[in-house]
Amino acid sequence: DSGVTQTPKHLITATGQRVTLRCSPRSGDLSVYWYQQSLDQGLQFLIQYYNGEERAKGNILERFSAQQFPDLHSELNLSSLELGDSALYFCASSVNGISTDTQYFGPGTRLTVL
Amino acid sequence: DAKTTQPPSMDCAEGRAANLPCNHSTISGNEYVYWYRQIHSQGPQYIIHGLKNNETNEMASLIITEDRKSSTLILPHATLRDTAVYYCIVRYTGSSNTGKLIFGQGTTLQVKP
Repeated sequence: DSGVTQTPKHLITATGQRVTLRCSPRSGDLSVYWYQQSLDQGLQFLIQYYNGEERAKGNILERFSAQQFPDLHSELNLSSLELGDSALYFCASSVNGISTDTQYFGPGTRLTVL
Repeated sequence: DAKTTQPPSMDCAEGRAANLPCNHSTISGNEYVYWYRQIHSQGPQYIIHGLKNNETNEMASLIITEDRKSSTLILPHATLRDTAVYYCIVRYTGSSNTGKLIFGQGTTLQVKP
């Protein structure tokens, strides 16, 4: 158990819908990362937050957005869902959000878009 | 970040040492080598990291060549539960880096009874 929690574990929805994925970092960690893992793209970095502020953006679509709240939990919002958005979404956390930090990953949310 | 090359798959007998190679010939002086593994769609799990010296922890050992162009992750006594995809990642540690991890395709290690 990494100490990072993600809810829900599974999500099934239809095209065009909007969903919210939630992540709680390990106690004491200030930075949260979101990654997407699809069959054809592998594990890809989406976005990083540090203490409520966006720090880095990766291959995140404009239909996707995220935020980190004062209690440090984070939410990833996916809208106008398409079949290709079906994937595993992982959240990771680290202490200071810098490259010498070790990141610890949550168990993931499996999103299925029908 | 430097690119890494790993064999796509490897087999190992249960109880034997698993030696997973990684080539990172373009690594620069301030880049660390990190290893993660992912067991069947679970969240990636941190294993070990190093800069230039060999490292050992309760999970594995990391051997980095003197020129730092390659490294080997060693699982000393592989068990069936070590069957996973192993990712070798080179991370830039300069001030502009944010800490994001760039995953390649990894090596699928199959431990066989």
